[in-house]
Amino acid sequence: AQSVAQPEDQVNVAEGNPLTVKCTYSVSGNPYLFWYVQYPNRGLQFLLKYITGDNLVKGSYGFEAEFNKSQTSFHLKKPSALVSDSALYFCAVRDLSGGSYIPTFGRGTSLIVHP
Amino acid sequence: KAGVTQTPRYLIKTRGQQVTLSCSPISGHRSVSWYQQTPGQGLQFLFEYFSETQRNKGNFPGRFSGRQFSNSRSEMNVSTLELGDSALYLCASRSSSGAYNEQFFGPGTRLTVL
Repeated sequence: AQSVAQPEDQVNVAEGNPLTVKCTYSVSGNPYLFWYVQYPNRGLQFLLKYITGDNLVKGSYGFEAEFNKSQTSFHLKKPSALVSDSALYFCAVRDLSGGSYIPTFGRGTSLIVHP
Repeated sequence: KAGVTQTPRYLIKTRGQQVTLSCSPISGHRSVSWYQQTPGQGLQFLFEYFSETQRNKGNFPGRFSGRQFSNSRSEMNVSTLELGDSALYLCASRSSSGAYNEQFFGPGTRLTVL
């Protein structure tokens, strides 16, 4: 079985400060991990993914995420937040050993960047 | 390339009615998935179609059904609507059946059941 947790419903950060949105996962085998962002009244947009290789993954809009196998985490980060980064962020996981191509999504974290 | 399109964008129905939602995936994408998004439950997987075959199904009642056509366009049908069916319904496509491919989401159809 695969599961993902986003422990924070909301993250508040001041513009220009670094931001972190947390994600932890549980899988039986090796994970594929994804981050998506959703702006109001829009569908989800893909930000980045970890499949294999370098634990630090760089994605769109200056975001990056670090895969940590020992802590089963895949936190999303950005060195300097923008007000326009305010949105809902979703982490998703696929368990390679599960035989299913369907990802499990976290419940989402609302990021609010204050001017 | 045009993105994933969903029609209609907004729908208002009454309890007991049925509704059909449509999704056109990105050209060349053969996999289409449907999700229900609500504030309380988050994103819940409904079903996935690949080359006109339903490959996976989430834990939803039989009132929720879908199909995919030979051009990869997909429709989702909900019969005997209930108030709890009010949600944003998202369609997502991806380029192949591979588990490593990211999904591309449409803007969603906002369904309100009165």
